[in-house]
Amino acid sequence: DAGVTQSPTHLIKTRGQQVTLRCSPKSGHDTVSWYQQALGQGPQFIFQYYEEEERQRGNFPDRFSGHQFPNYSSELNVNALLLGDSALYLCASSLEGRIGGGSGETQYFGPGTRLLVL
Amino acid sequence: DAKTTQPPSMDCAEGRAANLPCNHSTISGNEYVYWYRQIHSQGPQYIIHGLKNNETNEMASLIITEDRKSSTLILPHATLRDTAVYYCIVRAKTSYDKVIFGPGTSLSVIP
Repeated sequence: DAGVTQSPTHLIKTRGQQVTLRCSPKSGHDTVSWYQQALGQGPQFIFQYYEEEERQRGNFPDRFSGHQFPNYSSELNVNALLLGDSALYLCASSLEGRIGGGSGETQYFGPGTRLLVL
Repeated sequence: DAKTTQPPSMDCAEGRAANLPCNHSTISGNEYVYWYRQIHSQGPQYIIHGLKNNETNEMASLIITEDRKSSTLILPHATLRDTAVYYCIVRAKTSYDKVIFGPGTSLSVIP
């Protein structure tokens, strides 16, 4: 059973460029959340996708956008990159709809994509 | 903001039990205690979660106080590979509830 996978593993961009990061959820999961982790800090929630729609968003500007596909995979797009966008970007998947039962609501994280903006 | 407080760092001798404390005095009745750990530059790894009863799995044990205001994660026989940052998180058990990370506890297992 494959876990959460992310691509690419590493990426280098320059200021002002745009980047797309990809995430495939754990088998059977339908919800994808994205997090940003700056060096030395805990992950910060960016947004969450369910049924191909963004349903919750953290304190991130509109330069950060996303998409979820019918197969539940997801993309994170960042426009007009800033030096401060350099971070580890994490994707987490979970299963909606099992409130109060089992462990389906637990979020499982991928290995992350390390983005460096020069 | 994170709803938990943890010591910033701890040491543990290899082979001994590592006991990682967490305070969550404002926890609500429908909120669970989750533990994750993050080994350097990797994604957070789910360890265990619980509501009010003590829980045990192949990785660790979770002890939650009767008033649910604090908990302890126990790694029974710490190894060097357990060196990581450990995050204690309080959240409702729905996919809708995002995971809010605090700074965590940096555990160093010493040979």
